[in-house]
Amino acid sequence: NAGVTQTPKFRILKIGQSMTLQCTQDMNHNYMYWYRQDPGMGLKLIYYSVGAGITDKGEVPNGYNVSRSTTEDFPLRLELAAPSQTSVYFCASSYGTSHLDTQYFGPGTRLTVL
Amino acid sequence: GQNIDQPTEMTATEGAIVQINCTYQTSGFNGLFWYQQHAGEAPTFLSYNVLDGLEEKGRFSSFLSRSKGYSYLLLKELQMKDSASYLCAASPSGGYNKLIFGAGTRLAVHP
Repeated sequence: NAGVTQTPKFRILKIGQSMTLQCTQDMNHNYMYWYRQDPGMGLKLIYYSVGAGITDKGEVPNGYNVSRSTTEDFPLRLELAAPSQTSVYFCASSYGTSHLDTQYFGPGTRLTVL
Repeated sequence: GQNIDQPTEMTATEGAIVQINCTYQTSGFNGLFWYQQHAGEAPTFLSYNVLDGLEEKGRFSSFLSRSKGYSYLLLKELQMKDSASYLCAASPSGGYNKLIFGAGTRLAVHP
């Protein structure tokens, strides 16, 4: 099992550009999450999904969109990138059979917006 | 509001014991998680507590007091490879395994 994979590992965007961060898990997990981590700060939940076709906002959803067309994939879309979106983005997944299932994290995408 | 507090930085000596504290305030509470994150890497799960008391896993133990909104992570026989950030995360009511993370405690282990 590869676990949770994310692409790309690094990206530099110009202000106003758009991009999609890819996330795939091969553990047949129901729940998937997107977090951002700013230096010296905790992980903040952007969006989450409890199954294909079902998504909901987290703490900091503004400027982002998600979709979940399959169990495996949960892409995060940035429209009109802004410097405030410079961060490390982590995707995570969990089984979703209990409210205390462990979340497994991908390696992260480091995004810089200039 | 929802809030997780933990110290920003700690230092310790190889072979010693260190305790990392965490206090939390959440809308309801299901459990408390600890994750380890090495610099430039993803967080990895260490332990979780649901009930009051101590959970031991090898060199790592975690304690929870639900009435006090308090947890700690105890690391014994410290090794250089334990130098990392330790993230405290609370699972509030509402399900879906959502977590509220603290800012993390950066631990430096010195020889």
